Amino acid sequence: QVELVQSGGGVVQPGGSLRLSCAASGFNFKSFGMHWVRQAPGKGLEWVSFIVHNGNTTYSADSVRGRFSISRDNSKNTVFLHMHNLKVEDTAVYYCARLALTFGGQVVVPSWGQGAQVSVSS
Amino acid sequence: IVMTQSPLSLSVTPGEPASISCRSSQSILDSDDGNIYLDWYLQRPGQPPQLLIYTLSHRASGVPDRFSGSGSGTEFILKISRVGAEDVGVYYCMQRTEFPTTFGQGTKLEIK
Repeated sequence: QVELVQSGGGVVQPGGSLRLSCAASGFNFKSFGMHWVRQAPGKGLEWVSFIVHNGNTTYSADSVRGRFSISRDNSKNTVFLHMHNLKVEDTAVYYCARLALTFGGQVVVPSWGQGAQVSVSS
Repeated sequence: IVMTQSPLSLSVTPGEPASISCRSSQSILDSDDGNIYLDWYLQRPGQPPQLLIYTLSHRASGVPDRFSGSGSGTEFILKISRVGAEDVGVYYCMQRTEFPTTFGQGTKLEIK
């Protein structure tokens, strides 16, 4: 069964850095693009970043572009979110997710990690 | 694509039906395969979003058949045939046909 297990997160001062990890199992990880989505306290869900299956192309939301980067290690079935120059407004629960549409002609069921809390505060 | 949910909150008597609407600012019909990649999630307090319905009308594993999804074009509905206490939380629609994926604002369901 598909599983996404997240680690990382914590409390950091404004301007600091953190790295989130998301370890995948139960599917052919290197064949799927991966997303990060976040949710600020009391707010809705916001897409943050995406990386294609082989890591060659990435995309990020305007709100984090230039500060956050996404990468992956297909040998370890893991995707990362590198967060730099963190701001108070980056405080949120961050989720990794597989949101592919289809694979091998079959509709793919979306899967999410359990979330990781990132708190930016002085 | 902007996703707009209504109502933003609703209060339902146990055993009664409920429905939540989600509207997209443009069509989310995938022209390549004809699917509508519209998903519904329930988020309970302190929990990650739980997938209920994916690709318009497919119930996720373990989801009771009280939940159903439907719609076309730009209008979508999540229906709960008989609301129970365990259905309390915030419901989100999400489209992933067009990049980047976008979400509705959420609909808070409470029990009367």
